[in-house]
Amino acid sequence: SSELTQDPAVSVALGQTVRITCQGDSLRNYYASWYQQKPGQAPVNVIYGKNNRPSGIPDRFSGSSSGSTASLTITGAQAEDEADYYCNSRDSSNNHLEVFGTGTKVTVL
Amino acid sequence: QVQLVQSGAEVKKPGASVKVSCRASGYTFTSYYLHWVRQAPGQGLEWMGIIYPGGGSTSYAQKFQGRVTMTRDTSTSTVYMELSSLRSEDTAVFYCARERNRYSIEQGGMDYWGQGTLVTVSS
Repeated sequence: SSELTQDPAVSVALGQTVRITCQGDSLRNYYASWYQQKPGQAPVNVIYGKNNRPSGIPDRFSGSSSGSTASLTITGAQAEDEADYYCNSRDSSNNHLEVFGTGTKVTVL
Repeated sequence: QVQLVQSGAEVKKPGASVKVSCRASGYTFTSYYLHWVRQAPGQGLEWMGIIYPGGGSTSYAQKFQGRVTMTRDTSTSTVYMELSSLRSEDTAVFYCARERNRYSIEQGGMDYWGQGTLVTVSS
């Protein structure tokens, strides 16, 4: 089955830009979706497809992809963006299955 | 508005089974796939499987094959996830989540999530 690898933790100064990456072979064929999860809460989808934001998600969140790497960028990070972020995509070996990334803890300084 | 409401917390003994429900409302239940996702305490998200309420078809992650069963009841717009042979490592929060569009890579992803159900496995 596929694996999606993320850096365990990143930090960003308030108002600055941070990029979170997700690496895996499945990303050569499938887009990543990105989820934000705050402590004690269910995940929230922040990016899907090539670079689509669900209704209500601020435009400081954007997505991109190149080869086997997908990225989530937060431009002008806010204190409320401090959370865990997970990527997710179809499994490259069986597209009926899915996989989540290992998760990245974002700290806003 | 779309809502996914899950059943309450459970405490189970090792070796037992647990059945978690997820009741959907605010959309056509049979038109959208539903995922189940597990999150152990302090750990990441883990995809368990998916069910299509329209026909009942399922796909399970290899890790859970043989231990998980996902079913649906169209009369109550509810999907169920049953996990058997529970062990302490199964202690986790289980989420159901709706797939935005299973047939479009561009429009995929999980757009609505249930509130989560804590299952504690302890002797």
